[in-house]
Amino acid sequence: ELKVEQNPLFLSMQEGKNYTIYCNYSTTSDRLYWYRQDPGKSLESLFVLLSNGAVKQEGRLMASLDTKARLSTLHITAAVHDLSATYFCAVGDSGGSNYKLTFGKGTLLTVNP
Amino acid sequence: NAGVTQTPKFRILKIGQSMTLQCTQDMNHNYMYWYRQDPGMGLKLIYYSVGAGITDKGEVPNGYNVSRSTTEDFPLRLELAAPSQTSVYFCASRKAKETQYFGPGTRLLVL
Repeated sequence: ELKVEQNPLFLSMQEGKNYTIYCNYSTTSDRLYWYRQDPGKSLESLFVLLSNGAVKQEGRLMASLDTKARLSTLHITAAVHDLSATYFCAVGDSGGSNYKLTFGKGTLLTVNP
Repeated sequence: NAGVTQTPKFRILKIGQSMTLQCTQDMNHNYMYWYRQDPGMGLKLIYYSVGAGITDKGEVPNGYNVSRSTTEDFPLRLELAAPSQTSVYFCASRKAKETQYFGPGTRLLVL
């Protein structure tokens, strides 16, 4: 059974600081997804990481994937209040069918002035 | 494209009542999903479908039923609503190996 673990689950940051959210998964997969959820809203797709060593950046967020370590990171640079949200990583089914995504529990990020 | 749409946005049910949550996508995606999200929690998969006429259970299917007669529509049926089904329900769709697109959600309160 594929397991996806995120840490930390709660993160309180000051504006202007840097931090990293980690996403570990238990079995082989060739792609990993990051989503953002604002309070009371739905999830929106941030990044799709397709291969080992993949790095994607948008604004102050940068995501990377190490398939050998089964680890993805979401790095936040110089945090601003607008980044306050819950961030989920998700991994496709192992075994190639890729029908379902298994989601981590989410990291609630609060950026304080 | 409207993407994934869900109706209703909010509903209050009495214990024992039934209802159908509607989900429609206009992106011609084969895969569709129903999740529930309890306050402060992550997503739990209820049911999913890999194409018209094909559905399968997720991790929390009890108390729910689905059907998939067309590519576009994937309704979720709640029979005999219980307070434990109070939650936010999200429908999502995707193409194989691509990201999921989520609907806006339906907030359900069972009293």
